[in-house]
Amino acid sequence: DADVTQTPRNRITKTGKRIMLECSQTKGHDRMYWYRQDPGLGLRLIYYSFDVKDINKGEISDGYSVSRQAQAKFSLSLESAIPNQTALYFCATSDVEKATQYFGPGTRLLVL
Amino acid sequence: RKEVEQDPGPFNVPEGATVAFNCTYSNSASQSFFWYRQDCRKEPKLLMSVYSSGNEDGRFTAQLNRASQYISLLIRDSKLSDSATYLCVVSLNNAGNMLTFGGGTRLMVKP
Repeated sequence: DADVTQTPRNRITKTGKRIMLECSQTKGHDRMYWYRQDPGLGLRLIYYSFDVKDINKGEISDGYSVSRQAQAKFSLSLESAIPNQTALYFCATSDVEKATQYFGPGTRLLVL
Repeated sequence: RKEVEQDPGPFNVPEGATVAFNCTYSNSASQSFFWYRQDCRKEPKLLMSVYSSGNEDGRFTAQLNRASQYISLLIRDSKLSDSATYLCVVSLNNAGNMLTFGGGTRLMVKP
């Protein structure tokens, strides 16, 4: 089984709809991250959390919110989706002291 | 100016060739450096960390030039399976937890 899972893997939604992307991990890591990837722009950090009570904005947090329900779960919400939020979204985890981030398989989101 | 810049490519090379990618970063306070590999429609995975003295992992060699703020990746004896996008990644802290990604360089290895 994958260590970092994301649901759904693909989602098509309409402008103005609220959607939630979910991430779960079995690696036992404290730190979790949400990124979006757009062609040619690389991955950009949306939000990150260093433990269950910790939420931090990343580079592009406007229009997004997150919830860290447990050590193993980190959800990303789009309160009112807009077309320029169409992207590939990745969740990642890392250990406190090590550099490597482990990514989930990604969620492809299309906002019409 | 992007914080981490890479030539997007694609680099088209024959099997067995040696290919090199460069990456430049803008923040001189950057502490940690990495190359990640991303296959088409897949998640990024760590290929190797980059150390000040340079480091090698099999056919892959990474170099760091702090004075010029660039990082390189050399792949020798290219394999078809090396075809992927290579992401240059930097971090402002030594734990590497806050990562800044380049846009990636696409490599296509042909038979």
